[in-house]
Amino acid sequence: AQKITQTQPGMFVQEKEAVTLDCTYDTSDQSYGLFWYKQPSSGEMIFLIYQGSYDEQNATEGRYSLNFQKARKSANLVISASQLGDSAMYFCAMREGRSSGGSNYKLTFGKGTLLTVNP
Amino acid sequence: DGGITQSPKYLFRKEGQNVTLSCEQNLNHDAMYWYRQDPGQGLRLIYYSQIVNDFQKGDIAEGYSVSREKKESFPLTVTSAQKNPTAFYLCASSISPASTDTQYFGPGTRLTVL
Repeated sequence: AQKITQTQPGMFVQEKEAVTLDCTYDTSDQSYGLFWYKQPSSGEMIFLIYQGSYDEQNATEGRYSLNFQKARKSANLVISASQLGDSAMYFCAMREGRSSGGSNYKLTFGKGTLLTVNP
Repeated sequence: DGGITQSPKYLFRKEGQNVTLSCEQNLNHDAMYWYRQDPGQGLRLIYYSQIVNDFQKGDIAEGYSVSREKKESFPLTVTSAQKNPTAFYLCASSISPASTDTQYFGPGTRLTVL
């Protein structure tokens, strides 16, 4: 089973509108971290936002917010007031805690969502 | 400015050759990582290092080797044993290996085997 599932291969949004990128995850750990990264066409992976499994509040960073629903195991990224420069691939990733028995050193990535912002 | 640098940006290799990808960070981070990205895919972990003179295999270590002689540097060698090395390689670092610590990435090296 996939650890991170991003069901939207591509999304389109009009400039200045909000958009939600979906991410569901699978883990039996109690302690884990969820991350969103942006990858523009240049290739660099840019960190956007982090949510810890024990955080009670949804994370926010400027125009980015994370809609964390722990019971549903979802961690959707919300981008408000989209800009043309937001056009990129977006990856959801998870880092599990030591109790999983596996490595807690790696990020497990989804396959990404290609966001296109239209003028 | 603190950050992670990777060189070269583009690298071409003939079959049978070993090549080394450079990764340097001046963030004073303990942990460093190498990931591989194939088209249309997320990243997969090749090797990671928690501390100087220590490194561990990730999910796809076969055909790769690393060293960690200095805190700032974590070079990756793609050997001739790697069957399909054409890919985009990303280096990352984090303050520590803890699951809550963010990994920050370099700009990447695109390797093509001719």
